[in-house]
Amino acid sequence: SQTIHQWPATLVQPVGSPLSLECTVEGTSNPNLYWYRQAAGRGLQLLFYSVGIGQISSEVPQNLSASRPQDRQFILSSKKLLLSDSGFYLCAWSPDRGDQPQHFGDGTRLSIL
Amino acid sequence: SQQGEEDPQALSIQEGENATMNCSYKTSINNLQWYRQNSGRGLVHLILIRSNEREKHSGRLRVTLDTSKKSSSLLITASRAADTASYFCAPASYNTDKLIFGTGTRLQVFP
Repeated sequence: SQTIHQWPATLVQPVGSPLSLECTVEGTSNPNLYWYRQAAGRGLQLLFYSVGIGQISSEVPQNLSASRPQDRQFILSSKKLLLSDSGFYLCAWSPDRGDQPQHFGDGTRLSIL
Repeated sequence: SQQGEEDPQALSIQEGENATMNCSYKTSINNLQWYRQNSGRGLVHLILIRSNEREKHSGRLRVTLDTSKKSSSLLITASRAADTASYFCAPASYNTDKLIFGTGTRLQVFP
């Protein structure tokens, strides 16, 4: 069966520090991968999605970037965090054949001080 | 891709009652998906209903889809305290792998 791992679960970072959040999927190949951010009590904002290695689509101009160095690995990064980067970050995957639901990781709670 | 809009924003009921949440969208869809999110957790997929389907059941969940009105509803029957969560709809457009989630309906079920 397929599983998705996301870490760390919580992270506290100072303003201006770098960020690297990692997401990996097991049990499937060539998945579509997604990064979302959720502000407290709000809906999900799609940040990036990828349909293949090295293929990244950015949905919202911002202080973040994403990379997909391997088929089942998706990384969210920042060179310098801002206070506004605080939030709950969720990674998700879906099969590449379309018309299929997304499956989410447990998320990373990021607090910027 | 398009965003679904859930209504109501919040709903409080007693255990055993039914809970109905609605979703509206703007353009034609390939399918519409419902998800649940428990506090502090990731989203869990509940039901996917295709554009040529009108109703779908899964346990205590019933989803309807009216493409003429561009709306869907999620009914949870005989609710339990464990159903307390936020519920999101996501209309899936053709020719895209993206889902755009709305702000959800926060359901509180009191024992």
